[in-house]
Amino acid sequence: DVQLQESGPDLVKPSQSLSLTCTVTGYSITSGYSWHWIRQFPGNKLEWMGYIHYSGSTNYNPSLKSRISITRDTSKNQFFLQLNSVTTEDTAIYYCARKGTGSFAYWGQGTLVTVSA
Amino acid sequence: DIVLTQSPASLAVSLGQRATISCRASQSVSTSSYSYMHWYQQKPGQPPKLLIKYASNLESGVPARFSGSGSGTDFTLNIHPVEEEDTATYYCQHSWEIPPLTFGAGTKLELK
Repeated sequence: DVQLQESGPDLVKPSQSLSLTCTVTGYSITSGYSWHWIRQFPGNKLEWMGYIHYSGSTNYNPSLKSRISITRDTSKNQFFLQLNSVTTEDTAIYYCARKGTGSFAYWGQGTLVTVSA
Repeated sequence: DIVLTQSPASLAVSLGQRATISCRASQSVSTSSYSYMHWYQQKPGQPPKLLIKYASNLESGVPARFSGSGSGTDFTLNIHPVEEEDTATYYCQHSWEIPPLTFGAGTKLELK
């Protein structure tokens, strides 16, 4: 079965970069689908951040475009999120997810990242 | 960006009764063949779980008491009969255009 697991620091200082890893098991990220990052703010609003396609192409939320980068390591079946110049408003639960033709059937459990000095 | 407006923000329903949640899109997300609207259930401490895809297609393993309908800009998630385990927050999500993909603000379902 497909499983996704986020990992990374749970505390980041303002102005620094947030870096997270999503490790995928049960399916190769180069075989198909697109692989996404979604975050959920305190108060529960969900925000789509961007994805890396199985071909390696990427697409980002315009609201984050200047700060976000999604990359991958195909040898480890992992993909990564980097968000630069974070502020306290970037405090959220960060999820990685696999999108099929339109919806997200597979999600990681999420990791809470707090931005604080 | 397509804005998804869910209503109500919260509702309380008695066991065995019907819960109806609405999602209105700021523009049509339907073609003649498909409606690019999906529904999720989220319980505390868990990621969202896909319930309904393409407006009315039940995801594998999801109980038949969940159903979805609608097209164009207006969509509905129905739960009938409501069971105790259905207490959760429900979200709609469109996939009409990327970027950006957006979610509704959520509807919290509680039992009376």
